[in-house]
Amino acid sequence: QSALTQPRSVSGSPGQSVTISCTGTSSDVGAYNYVSWYQHHPGKAPKLMIYDVSVRASGVPDRFSGSKSGNTASLTISGLQAEDEAYYSCSSYAGSYTLLFGGGTTLTVL
Amino acid sequence: QVHLQESGPGLVKASETLSLMCSVSGFSISSGYYWGWIRQPPGKGLEWIGTIYYRGTTYYNVSLVSRVSISLDTSMTQFSLRLSSVTAADTGVYFCARIRHAVTTLRGIDYWGQGAPVTVSS
Repeated sequence: QSALTQPRSVSGSPGQSVTISCTGTSSDVGAYNYVSWYQHHPGKAPKLMIYDVSVRASGVPDRFSGSKSGNTASLTISGLQAEDEAYYSCSSYAGSYTLLFGGGTTLTVL
Repeated sequence: QVHLQESGPGLVKASETLSLMCSVSGFSISSGYYWGWIRQPPGKGLEWIGTIYYRGTTYYNVSLVSRVSISLDTSMTQFSLRLSSVTAADTGVYFCARIRHAVTTLRGIDYWGQGAPVTVSS
């Protein structure tokens, strides 16, 4: 199983919107509505942001939203803030009790 | 609040066995959920290592199945990872996690540990 494909980096100015894609196949992202997104800050435990494609985890601002179309899931962050600068990863169920992860995306707030 | 914390040697010699423990607080492993290990090599994305159900059933990444073992501690407050015959390719940050699930599927991770860096030396 290959990792899910994410852009290595994205950037945006405060107040703007950015979208991070997570592309898999019809055996993982396209097959199940179990895509999650995580936010990592260096030295801290990764934090669940979105689960089941589009459900915000507890305490996550509504500026964060998730969606899926075919084999590609997306995380959109609107009204960018400085504290959103982090590393973002996606995961998808891939069958047989396995999880597949994306390569990770570094978000820079300009 | 669920809290997970990895512990173990940060340096392992090539060909030896990497052993890590994950301590869980704020939730009893015996209450349910799947529990897992994930790693991140330097400069690369996350890689799923394997998962254990609270009743003991294990599932491993096919690329690691011959070398990996995950087990629950009898205290049901810890679970462990053992990876044998390590090489430099096993260097990275190792995370433990609690995994949400439906009846027959895994739904993603809701709690992570902070991560334990491990270097394999020659």
